[in-house]
Amino acid sequence: QLQLQESGPGLVKPSETLSLTCTVSGGSISSSSYYWGWIRQPPGKGLEWIGSIYYSGTTYYNPSLKSRVTISVDTSKNQFSLKLSSVTAADTAVYYCARHGLWFGDMDVWGKGTTVTASS
Amino acid sequence: QSALTQPPSASGSPGQSVTISCTGTSSDVGGYKYVSWYQQHPGKAPKLMIYEVSKRPSGVPDRFSGSKSGNTASLTVSGLQAEDEADYYCNSYAGSNYVVFGGGTKLTVL
Repeated sequence: QLQLQESGPGLVKPSETLSLTCTVSGGSISSSSYYWGWIRQPPGKGLEWIGSIYYSGTTYYNPSLKSRVTISVDTSKNQFSLKLSSVTAADTAVYYCARHGLWFGDMDVWGKGTTVTASS
Repeated sequence: QSALTQPPSASGSPGQSVTISCTGTSSDVGGYKYVSWYQQHPGKAPKLMIYEVSKRPSGVPDRFSGSKSGNTASLTVSGLQAEDEADYYCNSYAGSNYVVFGGGTKLTVL
């Protein structure tokens, strides 16, 4: 069945750029029925949608993070990626990738999550 | 956009029913039929329990049900079981290709 797996550095220095990749297996990222998103969860806090991408490359971002976020897709590798620039301690969180439908809410397949700490 | 409002905690005894609310505005919960609910156990990824207000994905027990009235959506867990103890989050489509989450509710099975 469809599986998602996040990968990337677990430690990022303040002011630098956080980079993560989500690898999709057991299915194609090029499905016309789904978007692929990033969600984060700071320690002890709730979930926050970061942004999403369609296989064509169309992107949608949370307005509160839009100036710092770039999401891209590589259909040949069945992967999509997240870059978050100018990180601070407030960006420390578990970062999840997930699949969702065209109305954004129904995130039905999630990766296990990866912890990223912003610290010098 | 502001996060949706959920009570921080809820509780019930085994076999009882408990309802968790998720309050938004006419720009999100009240304006669309795209409210979802997620269950998250400690250290685990969220799991989709309800989508489009009241639909259950395959494999989710029918003890879990969803509804909406105005700007407030609700998740009801009937016949509470020990394994239902978890954090629950709602989210809603909020227009302009944007989705907003609730702050989460910790459900305790007494």
